[in-house]
Amino acid sequence: SYVLTQPPSVSVAPRQTARITCGGNNIGSKSVHWYQQKSGQAPVLVVYDDSDRPSGIPERFSGSNSGNTAILTISRVEAGDEADYYCQLWDSSIDHWVFGGGTKLTVL
Amino acid sequence: QITLKESGPTLVKSTQTLTLTCTFSELSRSTSGMGVGWIRQPPGKALEWLALISWNDDKRYSPSLKSRLTITKDTSKNQVVLTMTYMDPVDTATYYCARRPAVRGGITPYYFDSWGQGTLVTVSS
Repeated sequence: SYVLTQPPSVSVAPRQTARITCGGNNIGSKSVHWYQQKSGQAPVLVVYDDSDRPSGIPERFSGSNSGNTAILTISRVEAGDEADYYCQLWDSSIDHWVFGGGTKLTVL
Repeated sequence: QITLKESGPTLVKSTQTLTLTCTFSELSRSTSGMGVGWIRQPPGKALEWLALISWNDDKRYSPSLKSRLTITKDTSKNQVVLTMTYMDPVDTATYYCARRPAVRGGITPYYFDSWGQGTLVTVSS
């Protein structure tokens, strides 16, 4: 089955830019979605279809996807962005949903 | 804005069957074309997709758990039910239900835009 690989952790200083990667075989040919999960809370969709944002999600959150890597970019990071972030896609070859292992974003 | 809420036992014994219900608040006309999925998360670990049912009754299951899972829906009650047989302590997790948005223009969205708060299920040996 399809495997999504994320770094376990990313650290960034406030007001800097965080980039969280999601690796997969030819992932650029698929639509990737990103979720933010704060401690003790349910996940929240922050980016869908590689780069679209749901209503209510700040413009600071953006996404890109090409080749073997999808990236979630968080600009001007705030303390409130500290959370676990998961990438997800639908594996059409076997018609099932796949999540990455998650990345813990720490704001220094 | 749709809201979803999971309900079911918080504690089950090994080998028992788990039954979870997802109740969502939205008029049935708004549910047309949408799907409801179940995702779980063991303590301190990653999200794992389990199953999804679409409003046309199409069902999909995680290949690794397919033999143990059954997903059904009751449209009149705005409920989706997940059953998982032969529970084991490794199945201890928070179980979430989430909405896959409705199909539009023939395009199926493959993400979850609304999530329930989750329910922690502990399996005792």
